[in-house]
Amino acid sequence: GAVVSQHPSRVICKSGTSVKIECRSLDFQATTMFWYRQFPKQSLMLMATSNEGSKATYEQGVEKDKFLINHASLTLSTLTVTSAHPEDSSFYICSASWAGGLGNSPLHFGNGTRLTVT
Amino acid sequence: SQKIEQNSEALNIQEGKTATLTCNYTNYSPAYLQWYRQDPGRGPVFLLLIRENEKEKRKERLKVTFDTTLKQSLFHITASQPADSATYLCALASNTGFQKLVFGTGTRLLVSP
Repeated sequence: GAVVSQHPSRVICKSGTSVKIECRSLDFQATTMFWYRQFPKQSLMLMATSNEGSKATYEQGVEKDKFLINHASLTLSTLTVTSAHPEDSSFYICSASWAGGLGNSPLHFGNGTRLTVT
Repeated sequence: SQKIEQNSEALNIQEGKTATLTCNYTNYSPAYLQWYRQDPGRGPVFLLLIRENEKEKRKERLKVTFDTTLKQSLFHITASQPADSATYLCALASNTGFQKLVFGTGTRLLVSP
């Protein structure tokens, strides 16, 4: 149980285009979904937290107009990287929680999306 | 500022030995500490959670300790196997506010046959 599907696993796009990444909880309802970014040999950096039906909460330094997050249902959240640039190339990972993301409950992660902007 | 430190150097051990990974933290009072396994190009997978009032937690070949005085958690894998080779991340959460998890950079474990 607790499967999170993330799609696509890899995407290459040209500078200036937008890319949408989907994150789905397959067998549970995710009240909260998180989006992380991970650079090589670095830790996961939380970008934003989204709760179904409300606006996402972005971490300091993350541009909300560049990284659009939509949590339209209890099983789907999307991250759109708008006007992508090479410096946006990274590994993006979503995670989901049925417990509101409380520290006393585990997070279930998707398998990540490797974004390369040329 | 809050800091979570895990050994950035890979830990190499022989199959059958016990692997011990360390997670140290400063300027933080976590109520919960979690350990995850991450394979290359994949998302992390939850392994264990331990609360601040728990000294030790076990699950099969895994054992986690949590010392709030030393501000340290140790993660042990007994009878290690080559399949245990991966990066192991510790993550901390407080019991105030939103309780979001903050991750360490992880330690890569290599178990050789």
